[in-house]
Amino acid sequence: GNSVTQMEGPVTLSEEAFLTINCTYTATGYPSLFWYVQYPGEGLQLLLKATKADDKGSNKGFEATYRKETTSFHLEKGSVQVSDSAVYFCALSDESGGSNYKLTFGKGTLLTVNP
Amino acid sequence: KAGVTQTPRYLIKTRGQQVTLSCSPISGHRSVSWYQQTPGQGLQFLFEYFSETQRNKGNFPGRFSGRQFSNSRSEMNVSTLELGDSALYLCASSPGLPRAEQYFGPGTRLTVT
Repeated sequence: GNSVTQMEGPVTLSEEAFLTINCTYTATGYPSLFWYVQYPGEGLQLLLKATKADDKGSNKGFEATYRKETTSFHLEKGSVQVSDSAVYFCALSDESGGSNYKLTFGKGTLLTVNP
Repeated sequence: KAGVTQTPRYLIKTRGQQVTLSCSPISGHRSVSWYQQTPGQGLQFLFEYFSETQRNKGNFPGRFSGRQFSNSRSEMNVSTLELGDSALYLCASSPGLPRAEQYFGPGTRLTVT
């Protein structure tokens, strides 16, 4: 079956530090990959996505590249801000086997950015 | 464009009762999915509806059911509530096309006592 593994948190950084959150996946087909962010007390917000190998998703300074050879989709940001403090989820949508439109999520990584 | 709305935002129920949660998708979106979020199990897929038909279902007992109306609004129902059903229930809206992203509502926090 499909699965997503992302690095365990919590991750604590100082403002302007470089961020990497690792994400690897297992899928039976050719998935689309997503990063979602959840702020306290809120639902999930789509941060970025990539739908095929070597695609790079980017938004608000965050980037992730779909690496089929390593089955990875690591999230990066060059300079984090206090406002980036949240829980980050890696997810996949497998388009094969009749499981379209269902998202499989990683466990989430709590990021805290200190001033 | 208005986002996904969920009602109620908070709910407290007693074991054995049943509950109905509501979700209104983004205008024009025909797909609604439901997810359960708990600290132990994380985010788990419940089911997805498209044009009033259930297209996908996760591995949850039959106590969990849903439906979608002709205006794409969706409800999910949980019968005979158990303590373990305490969770944040998230609804996601999508055009329902391959590789389309899903947009989430703020969730309904259900507490079962």
